Amino acid sequence: DAEITQSPRHKITETGRQVTLACHQTWNHNNMFWYRQDLGHGLRLIHYSYGVQDTNKGEVSDGYSVSRSNTEDLPLTLESAASSQTSVYFCASSESRGLAGHGELFFGEGSRLTVL
Amino acid sequence: QKEVEQDPGPLSVPEGAIVSLNCTYSNSAFQYFMWYRQYSRKGPELLMYTYSSGNKEDGRFTAQVDKSSKYISLFIRDSQPSDSATYLCAMKKTGANNLFFGTGTRLTVIP
Repeated sequence: DAEITQSPRHKITETGRQVTLACHQTWNHNNMFWYRQDLGHGLRLIHYSYGVQDTNKGEVSDGYSVSRSNTEDLPLTLESAASSQTSVYFCASSESRGLAGHGELFFGEGSRLTVL
Repeated sequence: QKEVEQDPGPLSVPEGAIVSLNCTYSNSAFQYFMWYRQYSRKGPELLMYTYSSGNKEDGRFTAQVDKSSKYISLFIRDSQPSDSATYLCAMKKTGANNLFFGTGTRLTVIP
């Protein structure tokens, strides 16, 4: 069965360290997204990609970067982790249907990051 | 002002009750309206979606969209303990790939 996997599921790091969260999907979806989920804010879009070599900033992109070198993977990098980046991070993917359709997102199980 | 507003709850109901979950929005360009369900420590999963206005029913779940009031609802009939989860509304404009999410409402159904 196709799926989307995130790693690590849990990580504790220190302020100032670089952190990379991995996301791998086997749906063969063109669209991939990174969200963070915090109490009181819901899901907020960090970065997204519509295909290989394409990346775009979302609502809360400061301090984060992504790269898309193949269809399956969209790693999220925190260049210099800050305590404000303590959160649960979700990767998601969706089909590209010529921008039509409801664009169902398929989510991974999340990566819980704590920055001390 | 957020584009999508949702009462975070928490909401606690007895088994068998009818549950009503709601969201309001400000952008009239939204055409697709979705409800995602998220169990504890899991990723959200699509429960239902509706295009434009109207109702859609799927088993015990009914989604309603009132575009004139910019208001959407999810009704759960005969609620079960297995319905205990966080419910997130989400919306999308035609021609866009991004979803705008509400903050989620945490629901607990007590046996």
